[in-house]
Order: sequence, then C-alpha cells, then structure tokens
Amino acid sequence: EAQVTQNPRYLITVTGKKLTVTCSQNMNHEYMSWYRQDPGLGLRQIYYSMNVEVTDKGDVPEGYKVSRKEKRNFPLILESPSPNQTSLYFCASQRTGSYNEQFFGPGTRLTVL
Amino acid sequence: SQQGEEDPQALSIQEGENATMNCSYKTSINNLQWYRQNSGRGLVHLILIRSNEREKHSGRLRVTLDTSKKSSSLLITASRAADTASYFCATDEADSWGKFQFGAGTQVVVTP
Repeated sequence: EAQVTQNPRYLITVTGKKLTVTCSQNMNHEYMSWYRQDPGLGLRQIYYSMNVEVTDKGDVPEGYKVSRKEKRNFPLILESPSPNQTSLYFCASQRTGSYNEQFFGPGTRLTVL
Repeated sequence: SQQGEEDPQALSIQEGENATMNCSYKTSINNLQWYRQNSGRGLVHLILIRSNEREKHSGRLRVTLDTSKKSSSLLITASRAADTASYFCATDEADSWGKFQFGAGTQVVVTP
C-alpha cells in the first residue's frame, strides 16, 4: 500500500531534550516536506526537499533541522525543543512536478513541557 | 505568512444542501489544490486546478479559479454527513516550486 509513515505518532517531552520525528514514504517520490499545524493557522511549511541531499527552508524553519540522505526518508530534528514547538506535525511526499498531489502522513502530535 | 485564506471559517449545513467555501491567495501560482482533513488526521487530496484552468469537476466537487482576483471556490453538492471535515486550499508559488502555502481552513459540519 502506498503510504507515508511517521513515528512516533504521539510524543511528550521536556524543553531542551533533542528529538527526531521520522518520516518514510514507499512511493519513490522525489519531493518531501514537513508542516506544522496549529489551531487557526492551517498548515505552515517547515522544510522541504526536492531530492536526496537537497533541502530548503519553508516559512517556519527556526528551531528545526532536516536531512535527506535517502530518497524514502526525511527526518525532522528538534535539537532543543521549546514549548512553542508544541504542535501537530505532518510529513508529505509528492512526485516532482507542479500538477501532482501531495500524500500526507498521519501526523505526529508533539507536546513540549 | 499565510498565502491562502479561507472563508468562511466554519459552515454548518444539513444533508442534501450545498456547501461553498472560498480561498484567496496573494502571489502568482502554478496550481491550487483543495484538501480535506478529518479531525486531526492527515490531509487527503481532493482536487487540483491549474493556473490556466477556470473550472474543474470531480464527482460532487466543483472548483473554480479566478487568477485575476486571486481566488478560488470549492462547492460540494448534495452534502452528506460523511463530508463533515475541515477543508484547506493550498497553493504553490509560481516562482519557487516546492514552497506550498495552506489556508487556515473551513470547518464544515453536515447534520443529518
């Protein structure tokens, strides 16, 4: 089954404790992206990657890191999480091109205390 | 900054009625897409309309795009209780493909 998977699905952590949220897709998509969703703000793009070893900042990259060493994986790293990073995070992938849809993962609900 | 803004923020209708929601954006785009989200779950793609298209249909969905006004509308006809969800528009900027902007969404409740 074609899908985007994220782990963990739920995470409660404390300020400053480094964490990684994994994202993996099995559709051989070149493009992958991370978003955060906060009430009343819709989705905001954090980082995206057009292909392996190519990453770019979205609208809200501060406090986040990403890497794209393999085509299927695009982990999101929070080196020193803070309470304002408490949010619902989504990973998405897409075949390259302007007229293709994005496929979204199920989301990771992160709480930083 | 939010590219897409949706209107209304919330919509409550009865089964069988039509639901219309609007999206406005700010920059030139390659395409505009509509997504649906059920209660905190992942988004599901509904329909994509290219910047050179004016109207598109898919089942009970009808999307229009007016690039001169930088706006789009999504019409769901003959709504069902299962259409209860949040609906988001998303645009990719014409000069920087890969950067996507989502609206804040319209929350639709369809009561039997």
